[in-house]
Amino acid sequence: GGIITQTPKFLIGQEGQKLTLKCQQNFNHDTMYWYRQDSGKGLRLIYYSITENDLQKGDLSEGYDASREKKSSFSLTVTSAQKNEMAVFLCASSISNERLFFGHGTKLSVL
Amino acid sequence: GDKVKQSPSALSLQEGTNSALRCNFSIAATTVQWFLQNPRGSLMNLFYLVPGTKENGRLKSAFDSKESYSTLHIRDAQLEDSGTYFCAAEADNYAQGLTFGLGTRVSVFP
Repeated sequence: GGIITQTPKFLIGQEGQKLTLKCQQNFNHDTMYWYRQDSGKGLRLIYYSITENDLQKGDLSEGYDASREKKSSFSLTVTSAQKNEMAVFLCASSISNERLFFGHGTKLSVL
Repeated sequence: GDKVKQSPSALSLQEGTNSALRCNFSIAATTVQWFLQNPRGSLMNLFYLVPGTKENGRLKSAFDSKESYSTLHIRDAQLEDSGTYFCAAEADNYAQGLTFGLGTRVSVFP
């Protein structure tokens, strides 16, 4: 088995601030993903990466940057936090597009 | 949520009863995954399906790619089955990654 670790668990930011979320996996999976979940809604894909140094935009990439520094880690940057923004960011990994495993999420609140 | 439509949006089940959740796809889904998000927010992968059926304990899922739907059956519902069930589809001619439905919130009561 393996585990996906997201840090931090909770993130409070100021409007306009650049915020970085981190994700590590020890499954040795090739593909990693960042999803955003708003209250009462499904998950929407922000970015994904099929291998180290690869980046692919999802439906929700505007306002975000991502970086796949190495196979086991994938970070997401909110380039300019929006006032009153509140969402959960979920990192996942898989072999290709097969069975996805998720981390526990980072809850973002912007004051 | 319009590419993957889940029904019902919410479901209340008495312990020990059976029920079914459904996903309809307006994209050409090639594989389907079902997840359970517990009240703390953790997502657990229940099934990964190519067309066909799978069973795991009290859960059974089917995916029909020609009719563009998938079902998840819960047998003998238990309190720990409570949470939000999401289906997600992969489609060759659509965005990469999975497209998620809006979920079915299931509450199991004694």
